[in-house]
Amino acid sequence: RKEVEQDPGPFNVPEGATVAFNCTYSNSASQSFFWYRQDCRKEPKLLMSVYSSGNEDGRFTAQLNRASQYISLLIRDSKLSDSATYLCVVNMIDKAAGNKLTFGGGTRVLVKP
Amino acid sequence: ETGVTQSPTHLIKTRGQQVTLRCSSQSGHNTVSWYQQALGQGPQFIFQYYREEENGRGNFPPRFSGLQFPNYSSELNVNALELDDSALYLCASSGYSAQDYGYTFGSGTRLTVV
Repeated sequence: RKEVEQDPGPFNVPEGATVAFNCTYSNSASQSFFWYRQDCRKEPKLLMSVYSSGNEDGRFTAQLNRASQYISLLIRDSKLSDSATYLCVVNMIDKAAGNKLTFGGGTRVLVKP
Repeated sequence: ETGVTQSPTHLIKTRGQQVTLRCSSQSGHNTVSWYQQALGQGPQFIFQYYREEENGRGNFPPRFSGLQFPNYSSELNVNALELDDSALYLCASSGYSAQDYGYTFGSGTRLTVV
């Protein structure tokens, strides 16, 4: 089982619509959580951190459910510029690897006019 | 404040050769992590350096090695290149607030092994 799993998509989203997707993680000792955005052939960029109480940044809302070990991202009023791959990232301390970020495979979102 | 810079941006090598990739960390960051991202996949953790020592390693063979220098910059070395080593290699730097703010990535080095 992968440490961090995501639906690869693509999620085809009409412009202006809402899209949501989840990510599950296997290590219950995971300490912090992030969503990164990656555009084609570019580096990942931090979109937002995910807090236990849930947090919102403009049109983006992230939720964390520690009991069920999943993280979600919701995008409201989708823009064409939201088209990207969204990477779920978990920070954990591993005996062999130390303190490391573990990435899911990414969820591809395509916003269409 | 300068971000994370990597060099070279693109590289083509022949199977069996050796390669060195370089990374300068963001100002104020003392930890550097290296990731390999194959096409269509998420980044995979190679190793992390803190205070010039390896501070954790992912599931990569010993022919992947690294260094960190006193100014926190870092190198990734790969010996005996294989075709499957073709990927985007990402360097990420972080500081004491990594738990809250994650890592900052460089734009990567795209390595092609032929």
